[in-house]
Amino acid sequence: AQSVTQLGSHVSVSEGALVLLRCNYSSSVPPYLFWYVQYPNQGLQLLLKYTSAATLVKGINGFEAEFKKSETSFHLTKPSAHMSDAAEYFCAVSERSSASKIIFGSGTRLSIRP
Amino acid sequence: DTEVTQTPKHLVMGMTNKKSLKCEQHMGHRAMYWYKQKAKKPPELMFVYSYEKLSINESVPSRFSPECPNSSLLNLHLHALQPEDSALYLCASSLDGYQETQYFGPGTRLLVL
Repeated sequence: AQSVTQLGSHVSVSEGALVLLRCNYSSSVPPYLFWYVQYPNQGLQLLLKYTSAATLVKGINGFEAEFKKSETSFHLTKPSAHMSDAAEYFCAVSERSSASKIIFGSGTRLSIRP
Repeated sequence: DTEVTQTPKHLVMGMTNKKSLKCEQHMGHRAMYWYKQKAKKPPELMFVYSYEKLSINESVPSRFSPECPNSSLLNLHLHALQPEDSALYLCASSLDGYQETQYFGPGTRLLVL
C-alpha cells in the first residue's frame, strides 16, 4: 500500500528565508509524486510532479523538489520565501498502475513572518 | 482553458433535503473526480469517472450519488445527508486518468443542518 508522511503540520519561516517542507513516501512500486498547494477557500493547484524523468523537479512559483529513492523522500524547497507563499501544502503519491488514485499526505501549513 | 468550475460555491441544506453539486470542465478531459475535504484535513477521494463510466467508488454511503451525463459534466446528488457530511467538496479532472495531472475546481462548501 502506498502512503505519504509530511513531517510538521505547521512550518513558519521569515520572508526571504529558505522554505523546506518534508515529505516521505511509501510505495511498493516506483511512484508518481506530487506537491499541491491550497490557498484559503480555494481548490488545489499543482506545484510540481515527479514521474521519473529527472530527480530534481522544478515547479511553479520558484518551488522545486528532489526525488531521493534511497531516502524515500520528496522534499519541497524554495530559496526565498514570499508572503504570498502562505498556504497549505500537500504531498501526494500515486502508483503507476493506477495513477487515477492519488493519496494525499496530511498537509503542512506554511506561514511567512514579515 | 485550464479551469474546472463548480456550482454552487456554498450550500446549506437540511437533513431531509435533496440537492445537487455540479462540476464542469471544457479541457477535453475524460477522467473526473469527486473529493471530500474536512477542515484542516487532506482531500479524500470519493468517486472516479473514466470515459463517463464509474471506475472507482471509495465505499461512499449511498446518500451520495454521482452522475456523469457527458464527458464535460459531473454531478453529485445529495439526499438525506448527516451533519458530519459538512465539508468542502472538490471536483477534479485529468486527461484520461493515467499519469496525468489532476486539475481541481474551487470547491463547494456544504453545511448540513
